[in-house]
Amino acid sequence: DAGVIQSPRHEVTEMGQEVTLRCKPISGHNSLFWYRQTMMRGLELLIYFNNNVPIDDSGMPEDRFSAKMPNASFSTLKIQPSEPRDSAVYFCASSLAGQGADGYTFGSGTRLTVV
Amino acid sequence: GNSVTQMEGPVTLSEEAFLTINCTYTATGYPSLFWYVQYPGEGLQLLLKATKADDKGSNKGFEATYRKETTSFHLEKGSVQVSDSAVYFCALPFSGSARQLTFGSGTQLTVLP
Repeated sequence: DAGVIQSPRHEVTEMGQEVTLRCKPISGHNSLFWYRQTMMRGLELLIYFNNNVPIDDSGMPEDRFSAKMPNASFSTLKIQPSEPRDSAVYFCASSLAGQGADGYTFGSGTRLTVV
Repeated sequence: GNSVTQMEGPVTLSEEAFLTINCTYTATGYPSLFWYVQYPGEGLQLLLKATKADDKGSNKGFEATYRKETTSFHLEKGSVQVSDSAVYFCALPFSGSARQLTFGSGTQLTVLP
């Protein structure tokens, strides 16, 4: 199993540009989570999906952030327009619902720098 | 929702020293508790878990016991190695049977040879 795959690993963009982060969950997992990690705020849950449906997006900072999961094997997190304060490491994780949080597997993350 | 409070870091130890990283939780009921580890440049990995009170989770020489009396889940290792240098996170479900986890602030461990 290739694990949770995120791309790109690193992204540097200018303020105001659109940024799209991508995630491929583990095959068979039906819950997907997007987290953001910063030194100041630690790990924050942004949004999670169950069976491709967004369940809780209360952690999404503002309307500039949006996430989609068009099918069971792909999700995107988009920031438009990006701002320097969005600089962080963004993690995607997946799990098999029904096993509580036991099957949480994280990707290696995307380090986003907005200049 | 549920929450965890984790020992402030960073922690610096010499190789073969004893490690304790404190974690206390506030929760409704008795949710599963977890420790995750994050090595430099990588995502978080599940290190160990305990699913009910008095359970002991263990992996790679690390242990943690689910203590409901003190609402604690402290991480311990008898003899740390340089390769254990990482950030350690305590975690539990956000609430009830929630699928999503809430994490502590993380504790940076550095082990010196």
